[in-house]
Amino acid sequence: EVQLVQSGAEVKKPGESLKISCKGSGYSFTTYWIGWVRQMPGKGLEWMGIIYPGDSVPRYSPSFQGQVTISVDKSIRTAYLQWSSLKASDTALYYCVRVGRSQNSINWIDPWGQGTLVIVSS
Amino acid sequence: QSALTQPASVSGSPGQSITISCTGASSDVGSYNLVSWFQQHPGKAPKLIIYEVTKRPSGVSNRFSGSKSGNTASLTISGLQAEDEADYYCSSYAGSNSVVFGGGTKLTVL
Repeated sequence: EVQLVQSGAEVKKPGESLKISCKGSGYSFTTYWIGWVRQMPGKGLEWMGIIYPGDSVPRYSPSFQGQVTISVDKSIRTAYLQWSSLKASDTALYYCVRVGRSQNSINWIDPWGQGTLVIVSS
Repeated sequence: QSALTQPASVSGSPGQSITISCTGASSDVGSYNLVSWFQQHPGKAPKLIIYEVTKRPSGVSNRFSGSKSGNTASLTISGLQAEDEADYYCSSYAGSNSVVFGGGTKLTVL
């Protein structure tokens, strides 16, 4: 079974740093891209960016460029999303996703991790 | 990139069919046959139910179908069941390694 298992919920203070993880199993980890999606409380889905475990180069959505860092360690089949200085507005549910690509497009997104809730509050 | 436009809510009775629209632009929905639909039950992660406009992943009921015309995609659910009550999101490839999502539609089964 293809699975993405994310790290647990986090409660942080503004200004703190954070790194959350997403471990893939049940498929060839270096064949598929991994993406990150944000869902703010009671809101819709937002695309943050993707990374290819084969070259570890992240590609960010313009809205998230400079706000977060996406990375991957293919030796342990794990992708990461990190913040250097959290803000209250970073409070959200963050999902990692496996991305199917063909000819540089994004064809499908499946499965989704269970989500990591990040709460930033003083 | 602007979010794709979906109706905030739709409703239908068991056994009926409903359609959810998803309107984008010529730079996303209109340019690529890469529209997907996701079902999200409360407290759960989204689940892929349609990809590449019309394709269903293995295990997804054939009561779900997708289509596209110009800048607008649609999801049709036939033979509505109580378990279909959920939020539904569309998405489209938008070029440059990016995806744009719709704002979501809450489906109520009456």
